[in-house]
Amino acid sequence: EADIYQTPRYLVIGTGKKITLECSQTMGHDKMYWYQQDPGMELHLIHYSYGVNSTEKGDLSSESTVSRIRTEHFPLTLESARPSHTSQYLCASSESLLAGGPSTDTQYFGPGTRLTVL
Amino acid sequence: KNQVEQSPQSLIILEGKNCTLQCNYTVSPFSNLRWYKQDTGRGPVSLTIMTFSENTKSNGRYTATLDADTKQSSLHITASQLSDSASYICVVSDRGSTLGRLYFGRGTQLTVWP
Repeated sequence: EADIYQTPRYLVIGTGKKITLECSQTMGHDKMYWYQQDPGMELHLIHYSYGVNSTEKGDLSSESTVSRIRTEHFPLTLESARPSHTSQYLCASSESLLAGGPSTDTQYFGPGTRLTVL
Repeated sequence: KNQVEQSPQSLIILEGKNCTLQCNYTVSPFSNLRWYKQDTGRGPVSLTIMTFSENTKSNGRYTATLDADTKQSSLHITASQLSDSASYICVVSDRGSTLGRLYFGRGTQLTVWP
């Protein structure tokens, strides 16, 4: 069982609200990721981090932002939520076993946050 | 274009039966292939990982195969159980850069009936 946690698990909010999705891991992993997943569709990488003070945008354009002030914590923020942001957000972390990037790592996923914006 | 295609999209089997899920990919250059299991409302959990030189890898009742020449992989589930009901996702990594990248399939939704 991976020690990676996400809160809240479910969130229903109105348009225009600012929200922060929390993600924390107790495995000491340097690398952390945020994915977006719609029902029946593949996961899309929206943000990743290789360590403290490191953040990069992923393959899928997202209006969200992330921060990495502590190794164990990787929160995602939406300044003004819209219905188009309705989705499942999955956080993951990994530890490099070999030299190189995320393709060599096994990623451990959190349980996800199901976000609904009305 | 690098892609990962899975089939079937969904599958229903009876408890105790075997099944095989397919994954075809066009990712190049290839680094490794993983199968993940994702229960409804949960995050994916890694089942197997195979590199270019590996043909078969087992994890309990799950056996994955890889044919790097034809760029195909399969996940065989033996003696299915109700708890096997989940989405099974094929993930392929490239090594086209020092950072690497993961390509996700859309998954096969497996339902096991009693």
